[in-house]
Amino acid sequence: KQEVTQIPAALSVPEGENLVLNCSFTDSAIYNLQWFRQDPGKGLTSLLLIQSSQREQTSGRLNASLDKSSGRSTLYIAASQPGDSATYLCAVPGSNDYKLSFGAGTTVTVRA
Amino acid sequence: DARVTQTPRHKVTEMGQEVTMRCQPILGHNTVFWYRQTMMQGLELLAYFRNRAPLDDSGMPKDRFSAEMPDATLATLKIQPSEPRDSAVYFCASGQFMRGNEQFFGPGTRLTVL
Repeated sequence: KQEVTQIPAALSVPEGENLVLNCSFTDSAIYNLQWFRQDPGKGLTSLLLIQSSQREQTSGRLNASLDKSSGRSTLYIAASQPGDSATYLCAVPGSNDYKLSFGAGTTVTVRA
Repeated sequence: DARVTQTPRHKVTEMGQEVTMRCQPILGHNTVFWYRQTMMQGLELLAYFRNRAPLDDSGMPKDRFSAEMPDATLATLKIQPSEPRDSAVYFCASGQFMRGNEQFFGPGTRLTVL
Protein backbone atom coordinates (compact mmCIF):
# COMPACT_ATOMS: atom_id res chain seq x y z
CA LYS A 1 0.00 0.00 0.00
CA GLN A 2 1.38 3.37 -1.04
CA GLU A 3 2.22 5.68 1.85
CA VAL A 4 2.75 9.36 1.11
CA THR A 5 4.40 11.66 3.63
CA GLN A 6 4.78 15.41 3.52
CA ILE A 7 7.25 17.29 5.65
CA PRO A 8 6.95 19.79 7.19
CA ALA A 9 3.30 19.82 8.21
CA ALA A 10 3.35 23.61 8.43
CA LEU A 11 5.63 26.37 7.24
CA SER A 12 5.65 30.11 7.85
CA VAL A 13 7.92 32.38 5.83
CA PRO A 14 8.23 36.10 5.13
CA GLU A 15 7.14 37.36 1.75
CA GLY A 16 9.77 36.99 -0.93
CA GLU A 17 11.39 33.91 0.51
CA ASN A 18 11.54 30.74 -1.59
CA LEU A 19 9.44 27.81 -0.42
CA VAL A 20 10.55 24.19 -0.44
CA LEU A 21 7.91 21.53 0.17
CA ASN A 22 8.79 17.87 0.41
CA CYS A 23 6.86 14.75 -0.48
CA SER A 24 8.01 11.15 -0.10
CA PHE A 25 6.32 7.93 -1.17
CA THR A 26 7.04 4.31 -0.36
CA ASP A 27 6.29 2.57 -3.66
CA SER A 28 8.53 3.94 -6.41
CA ALA A 29 6.53 2.23 -9.19
CA ILE A 30 4.48 5.33 -9.89
CA TYR A 31 3.09 6.66 -13.18
CA ASN A 32 3.06 10.26 -12.11
CA LEU A 33 2.86 12.57 -9.14
CA GLN A 34 0.45 15.42 -8.81
CA TRP A 35 0.75 18.54 -6.66
CA PHE A 36 -2.41 20.28 -5.51
CA ARG A 37 -3.24 23.45 -3.67
CA GLN A 38 -6.18 23.72 -1.29
CA ASP A 39 -7.43 26.98 0.16
CA PRO A 40 -9.48 26.87 3.39
CA GLY A 41 -12.99 25.63 2.72
CA LYS A 42 -12.27 25.10 -0.96
CA GLY A 43 -11.59 22.26 -3.33
CA LEU A 44 -8.27 21.07 -4.68
CA THR A 45 -6.60 22.89 -7.53
CA SER A 46 -4.14 20.94 -9.60
CA LEU A 47 -0.82 22.77 -9.78
CA LEU A 48 1.55 20.43 -11.55
CA LEU A 49 1.53 16.89 -12.86
CA ILE A 50 4.95 15.35 -13.25
CA GLN A 51 5.18 12.14 -15.22
CA SER A 52 7.35 9.26 -14.06
CA SER A 53 9.64 9.79 -17.06
CA GLN A 54 10.26 13.43 -16.12
CA ARG A 55 12.66 14.78 -13.59
CA GLU A 56 11.01 18.14 -13.25
CA GLN A 57 8.07 20.24 -14.34
CA THR A 58 7.71 24.01 -14.22
CA SER A 59 4.78 26.40 -14.23
CA GLY A 60 5.48 30.05 -13.56
CA ARG A 61 7.03 30.38 -10.11
CA LEU A 62 6.41 26.70 -9.39
CA ASN A 63 8.89 23.94 -10.04
CA ALA A 64 8.42 20.30 -9.09
CA SER A 65 11.17 17.73 -9.16
CA LEU A 66 10.80 13.98 -9.03
CA ASP A 67 13.29 11.33 -8.01
CA LYS A 68 11.51 8.01 -8.38
CA SER A 69 14.40 5.89 -7.21
CA SER A 70 14.51 7.63 -3.85
CA GLY A 71 10.74 8.06 -3.64
CA ARG A 72 10.82 11.84 -3.38
CA SER A 73 9.35 14.92 -4.95
CA THR A 74 9.98 18.54 -4.07
CA LEU A 75 7.83 21.53 -4.89
CA TYR A 76 9.67 24.83 -5.09
CA ILE A 77 7.79 28.12 -5.04
CA ALA A 78 9.98 31.07 -5.91
CA ALA A 79 9.60 34.53 -4.41
CA SER A 80 6.63 33.65 -2.22
CA GLN A 81 3.65 35.99 -1.90
CA PRO A 82 0.87 36.20 0.71
CA GLY A 83 -1.47 34.77 -1.93
CA ASP A 84 0.56 31.56 -1.86
CA SER A 85 -0.75 30.85 1.64
CA ALA A 86 -2.63 27.56 1.40
CA THR A 87 -2.26 23.85 2.02
CA TYR A 88 -0.23 21.98 -0.58
CA LEU A 89 -0.82 18.28 -1.12
CA CYS A 90 1.00 15.74 -3.20
CA ALA A 91 -0.65 12.60 -4.52
CA VAL A 92 0.38 9.52 -6.45
CA PRO A 93 -1.79 6.94 -8.22
CA GLY A 94 -1.44 3.27 -7.40
CA SER A 95 0.72 1.07 -9.60
CA ASN A 96 -2.30 -0.98 -10.68
CA ASP A 97 -5.09 1.54 -10.61
CA TYR A 98 -5.91 5.21 -10.60
CA LYS A 99 -6.51 5.63 -6.91
CA LEU A 100 -4.67 8.65 -5.63
CA SER A 101 -2.88 8.31 -2.32
CA PHE A 102 -2.54 11.71 -0.71
CA GLY A 103 -0.08 13.13 1.73
CA ALA A 104 -1.48 15.00 4.72
CA GLY A 105 -0.34 18.28 3.22
CA THR A 106 1.92 21.17 4.15
CA THR A 107 0.13 24.30 5.32
CA VAL A 108 2.01 27.38 4.17
CA THR A 109 1.68 30.87 5.58
CA VAL A 110 3.46 33.69 3.79
CA ARG A 111 3.72 36.77 6.00
CA ALA A 112 3.47 40.18 4.38
CA ASP B 1 -13.18 26.94 -18.81
CA ALA B 2 -13.92 23.25 -18.14
CA ARG B 3 -14.62 22.43 -14.51
CA VAL B 4 -16.07 19.69 -12.40
CA THR B 5 -19.27 20.89 -10.77
CA GLN B 6 -20.89 19.55 -7.63
CA THR B 7 -24.25 20.13 -6.00
CA PRO B 8 -25.22 20.97 -3.38
CA ARG B 9 -22.22 22.88 -2.03
CA HIS B 10 -23.49 22.59 1.52
CA LYS B 11 -25.93 20.19 3.12
CA VAL B 12 -27.14 20.00 6.70
CA THR B 13 -29.38 17.10 7.55
CA GLU B 14 -30.53 15.04 10.48
CA MET B 15 -29.32 11.57 11.29
CA GLY B 16 -31.26 8.92 9.42
CA GLN B 17 -32.09 11.10 6.44
CA GLU B 18 -31.09 10.28 2.89
CA VAL B 19 -28.45 12.46 1.27
CA THR B 20 -27.74 12.63 -2.45
CA MET B 21 -24.72 14.46 -3.85
CA ARG B 22 -24.28 15.11 -7.55
CA CYS B 23 -21.29 15.66 -9.76
CA GLN B 24 -20.91 16.72 -13.36
CA PRO B 25 -17.49 15.66 -14.65
CA ILE B 26 -15.55 17.59 -17.25
CA LEU B 27 -16.92 16.86 -20.70
CA GLY B 28 -14.88 14.14 -22.36
CA HIS B 29 -13.45 12.73 -19.16
CA ASN B 30 -14.24 9.07 -18.72
CA THR B 31 -13.08 8.41 -15.17
CA VAL B 32 -14.89 9.79 -12.14
CA PHE B 33 -13.76 9.58 -8.54
CA TRP B 34 -15.48 10.23 -5.23
CA TYR B 35 -13.30 11.29 -2.29
CA ARG B 36 -14.09 12.20 1.29
CA GLN B 37 -12.02 14.62 3.34
CA THR B 38 -12.03 14.86 7.12
CA MET B 39 -9.60 16.41 9.56
CA MET B 40 -8.84 13.05 11.09
CA GLN B 41 -8.48 10.88 7.97
CA GLY B 42 -7.48 13.38 5.32
CA LEU B 43 -8.52 12.51 1.78
CA GLU B 44 -9.89 9.02 1.19
CA LEU B 45 -11.06 7.49 -2.06
CA LEU B 46 -14.60 6.14 -1.80
CA ALA B 47 -15.28 4.93 -5.34
CA TYR B 48 -14.31 5.38 -8.94
CA PHE B 49 -15.85 4.78 -12.33
CA ARG B 50 -14.50 4.35 -15.81
CA ASN B 51 -16.82 4.76 -18.76
CA ARG B 52 -19.67 4.83 -16.23
CA ALA B 53 -18.83 1.38 -14.86
CA PRO B 54 -17.86 1.13 -11.20
CA LEU B 55 -14.31 -0.17 -10.94
CA ASP B 56 -13.72 0.07 -7.24
CA ASP B 57 -15.95 1.03 -4.36
CA SER B 58 -13.98 -0.69 -1.63
CA GLY B 59 -13.58 2.59 0.22
CA MET B 60 -17.31 2.96 0.80
CA PRO B 61 -19.39 1.57 3.66
CA LYS B 62 -21.55 -0.67 1.50
CA ASP B 63 -24.48 -0.84 3.84
CA ARG B 64 -25.26 2.85 3.59
CA PHE B 65 -23.35 4.35 0.66
CA SER B 66 -24.03 3.89 -3.02
CA ALA B 67 -22.49 5.50 -6.09
CA GLU B 68 -23.83 5.51 -9.62
CA MET B 69 -23.33 7.12 -13.01
CA PRO B 70 -26.72 7.25 -14.72
CA ASP B 71 -25.07 8.88 -17.72
CA ALA B 72 -21.72 10.30 -18.76
CA THR B 73 -22.57 13.76 -17.46
CA LEU B 74 -23.80 12.81 -13.99
CA ALA B 75 -22.37 10.90 -11.07
CA THR B 76 -24.24 10.52 -7.79
CA LEU B 77 -23.23 9.54 -4.29
CA LYS B 78 -26.02 8.58 -1.95
CA ILE B 79 -25.99 7.98 1.78
CA GLN B 80 -28.98 6.26 3.34
CA PRO B 81 -29.36 6.45 6.28
CA SER B 82 -26.91 9.20 7.13
CA GLU B 83 -25.02 9.25 10.41
CA PRO B 84 -23.10 12.01 12.23
CA ARG B 85 -19.79 10.28 11.40
CA ASP B 86 -20.53 10.89 7.70
CA SER B 87 -20.00 14.61 8.25
CA ALA B 88 -17.17 15.56 5.90
CA VAL B 89 -16.43 17.27 2.63
CA TYR B 90 -17.13 15.05 -0.36
CA PHE B 91 -15.17 15.73 -3.53
CA CYS B 92 -15.76 14.50 -7.01
CA ALA B 93 -12.87 14.42 -9.49
CA SER B 94 -12.66 13.48 -13.13
CA GLY B 95 -9.90 12.53 -15.53
CA GLN B 96 -9.03 10.69 -18.68
CA PHE B 97 -8.37 6.98 -18.88
CA MET B 98 -4.61 7.14 -18.97
CA ARG B 99 -2.50 6.78 -15.88
CA GLY B 100 -0.46 9.72 -16.96
CA ASN B 101 -3.38 12.12 -16.89
CA GLU B 102 -4.42 14.54 -14.20
CA GLN B 103 -7.41 14.38 -11.93
CA PHE B 104 -9.43 17.57 -11.66
CA PHE B 105 -11.44 18.18 -8.53
CA GLY B 106 -14.80 19.81 -7.99
CA PRO B 107 -15.43 22.34 -5.22
CA GLY B 108 -16.87 19.70 -2.89
CA THR B 109 -20.08 19.20 -0.92
CA ARG B 110 -19.76 20.01 2.77
CA LEU B 111 -22.08 17.61 4.60
CA THR B 112 -23.12 18.03 8.20
CA VAL B 113 -25.23 15.30 9.78
CA LEU B 114 -26.76 16.34 13.10
